Amino acid sequence: NAGVMQNPRHLVRRRGQEARLRCSPMKGHSHVYWYRQLPEEGLKFMVYLQKENIIDESGMPKERFSAEFPKEGPSILRIQQVVRGDSAAYFCASSPINTGNTEAFFGQGTRLTVV
Amino acid sequence: AQSVTQLDSQVPVFEEAPVELRCNYSSSVSVYLFWYVQYPNQGLQLLLKYLSGSTLVKGINGFEAEFNKSQTSFHLRKPSVHISDTAEYFCAVSSNAGNNRKLIWGLGTSLAVNP
Repeated sequence: NAGVMQNPRHLVRRRGQEARLRCSPMKGHSHVYWYRQLPEEGLKFMVYLQKENIIDESGMPKERFSAEFPKEGPSILRIQQVVRGDSAAYFCASSPINTGNTEAFFGQGTRLTVV
Repeated sequence: AQSVTQLDSQVPVFEEAPVELRCNYSSSVSVYLFWYVQYPNQGLQLLLKYLSGSTLVKGINGFEAEFNKSQTSFHLRKPSVHISDTAEYFCAVSSNAGNNRKLIWGLGTSLAVNP
């Protein structure tokens, strides 16, 4: 059972371009969480999705950021018109449908650099 | 709402010495508690978790933590550290109600183990 897969591992974008970050959850997991780790600021929750639904987007910036988790395929975090301040590590975590007492499992992250 | 405070941003220690990394949390609801470790340019690895039951939790790599509800603390300890324990350590909390397991993070403690 492969773990949570994020790609790409490293992404370089010029200011104004779009960044697409992908997260394939563990097999059987239908809950996905995205977190951002900014230099000197620690980890922050961004969004929680279930298949085809955004459940909690309280941590998402109001503009330029969006996320989806379609019925088929990976979850996508999309950042439009990137700026230098978007440079960070973005982590995805997944958990199974019956959350119960289990924790979420993390991918290795995508490190976005905006130049 | 929850918050997490890691009281030490940096902890230098000599090899084979004991170490304690401190974590306090604030929450209006019952919580699950976690410690994660992050090695340079790597992802997040779960060290241990408190979900319920015994307040003394044992994790990987010889780490343990004790949940103290009255003091709202979840300090991480290891009786004898190794050079390889040098890393960033994060304390995190999530609500244990419902299916939303989003994590609220402390700012991290950088553990530096010196020979």
